[in-house]
Amino acid sequence: EAQVTQNPRYLITVTGKKLTVTCSQNMNHEYMSWYRQDPGLGLRQIYYSMNVEVTDKGDVPEGYKVSRKEKRNFPLILESPSPNQTSLYFCASSSPRAEQFFGPGTRLTVL
Amino acid sequence: DAKTTQPNSMESNEEEPVHLPCNHSTISGTDYIHWYRQLPSQGPEYVIHGLTSNVNNRMASLAIAEDRKSSTLILHRATLRDAAVYYCILTPGNQFYFGTGTSLTVIP
Repeated sequence: EAQVTQNPRYLITVTGKKLTVTCSQNMNHEYMSWYRQDPGLGLRQIYYSMNVEVTDKGDVPEGYKVSRKEKRNFPLILESPSPNQTSLYFCASSSPRAEQFFGPGTRLTVL
Repeated sequence: DAKTTQPNSMESNEEEPVHLPCNHSTISGTDYIHWYRQLPSQGPEYVIHGLTSNVNNRMASLAIAEDRKSSTLILHRATLRDAAVYYCILTPGNQFYFGTGTSLTVIP
């Protein structure tokens, strides 16, 4: 089944404790992207990647890192999480200029 | 930012057509117009996209104004399953700007 998977689905952590949210797709898509969704602000793009070893900042990249060492994986790294990064995170993938497929979301709480 | 403006909410009766408007007056010539929707407790899902011409698919139709400064998503017969937040998005280059969308309520 074609899908985008994210892990973990739920995470509660404390300020400053490094964490990684994984994202994997099995559709051989070149384009992958991370978004955060907050009440009243809609979805905002954090980072995106056009292909392996190619990443670019989206609208709200501060406090996040990404890497794209393999085509199928695009992990989101929070090196020193803060409470303002409490949010619902979505990973997505697509072929260039085509429809994006979204993962189920990761709900992160930073205390 | 490639900004779009949508009404916060709309209502429609079941089995009637729905026209969801979107203004994007700052659109540039190469920006595609995408529509996604998000059902409660789910990730967004693709609905339709276009550049200049009107587009149809099994889910909806997209009508793009001649000057491209606005577009309308048309759901031909709303069902209860169409209740969702609908996002009109411009894609300058490879970035996606979702905005806050229109929350569609379908009344039985």
